Amino acid sequence: DQQVKQNSPSLSVQEGRISILNCDYTNSMFDYFLWYKKYPAEGPTFLISISSIKDKNEDGRFTVFLNKSAKHLSLHIVPSQPGDSAVYFCAASSNYGGSQGNLIFGKGTKLSVKP
Amino acid sequence: DGGITQSPKYLFRKEGQNVTLSCEQNLNHDAMYWYRQDPGQGLRLIYYSQIVNDFQKGDIAEGYSVSREKKESFPLTVTSAQKNPTAFYLCASSRTGLTHGYTFGSGTRLTVV
Repeated sequence: DQQVKQNSPSLSVQEGRISILNCDYTNSMFDYFLWYKKYPAEGPTFLISISSIKDKNEDGRFTVFLNKSAKHLSLHIVPSQPGDSAVYFCAASSNYGGSQGNLIFGKGTKLSVKP
Repeated sequence: DGGITQSPKYLFRKEGQNVTLSCEQNLNHDAMYWYRQDPGQGLRLIYYSQIVNDFQKGDIAEGYSVSREKKESFPLTVTSAQKNPTAFYLCASSRTGLTHGYTFGSGTRLTVV
């Protein structure tokens, strides 16, 4: 039973355009959401996060939007650069219930930004 | 500089052998985690530890064992009981009461030959 879903395994975007990566979740107790970026044979690195009390968080070229009613969040990258090509993982956590604050990860979306 | 170190980067194991993956952090984080990554599967939690001398099973703990004798160290042993051990293993740490997410190591690629 996947609690965090990234339904697009891959996404290809032209350099300079917007990349939009989507993530859906099922657990309404999740109150903190994060995006990680991962290059092959390396560990994921933290990119951006958002608390459930907000609906938008922006950091440079990266913006995360949260729609709690739809249990959906998205990561926007504008403008996309070839160096953004990586696998992006959505993750969620809750300080309540059995997960004890552990992060639950989606399966990832592989972004390819073409020059 | 603070960080989390996994060693070795690449590891080869013969079938039927146990092998231990190292994970050390100097971030003074209380919690540590082990994940496994397989193609198309994302990150799956093997074991986690919120405090020294205590650890909990994750979603796919069968065939693995851990110890947490020191705050800085959380080694993972892949036993011969693990049916499909070839994978990329990631260790992570975090502060208790998670609001900052995890810091990940660079991973260990284990291959059974």
